Amino acid sequence: DVKVTQSSRYLVKRTGEKVFLECVQDMDHENMFWYRQDPGLGLRLIYFSYDVKMKEKGDIPEGYSVSREKKERFSLILESASTNQTSMYLCASRRITGQPQHFGDGTRLSIL
Amino acid sequence: GQQVMQIPQYQHVQEGEDFTTYCNSSTTLSNIQWYKQRPGGHPVFLIQLVKSGEVKKQKRLTFQFGEAKKNSSLHITATQTTDVGTYFCPYSQFGNEKLTFGTGTRLTIIP
Repeated sequence: DVKVTQSSRYLVKRTGEKVFLECVQDMDHENMFWYRQDPGLGLRLIYFSYDVKMKEKGDIPEGYSVSREKKERFSLILESASTNQTSMYLCASRRITGQPQHFGDGTRLSIL
Repeated sequence: GQQVMQIPQYQHVQEGEDFTTYCNSSTTLSNIQWYKQRPGGHPVFLIQLVKSGEVKKQKRLTFQFGEAKKNSSLHITATQTTDVGTYFCPYSQFGNEKLTFGTGTRLTIIP
């Protein structure tokens, strides 16, 4: 069974801090994704990566960057955290385009 | 650009009643997937539809893809409390790696 692991379930950070959210998958999947989920706004794509060192902007990339140095790990970086980045962050992976996405349990991030 | 509307946004049903959610696109879709997210959980893949007019069943759940591949529906027969959650129909455009999820339909069951 596919396992997608996010490093933290809950995280509290301060405004202006640099924040790293880590995601690891164990099924050698090519594609990985970062979403944020907010009440009334559904799931919105921040960034995705279709291969190592490759990245593409999603629908809301502003204020975020990503890193994919190894196939199994996809990191989301908040360069200077702001209160409007308080949200639930979900990581997902899939083998290739057209295949199902497998999600991690999510990180609930609060920026104070 | 591509627009897929999912309706309704919210649905409250009595336990035992049927439930249907619809996804309607302004353009032809290459495929459509359905996911379910339980309260406090993460989205879980249910099924993928690829062919025009395709119908697939999973126990009490029936999934349909329209003939023109512009709409899809999920029908649940005789809902149970375990059906509570938000149902999403993410879609991708032809040749696009990106999957767009949207707001989904949130189903609550009145016991």
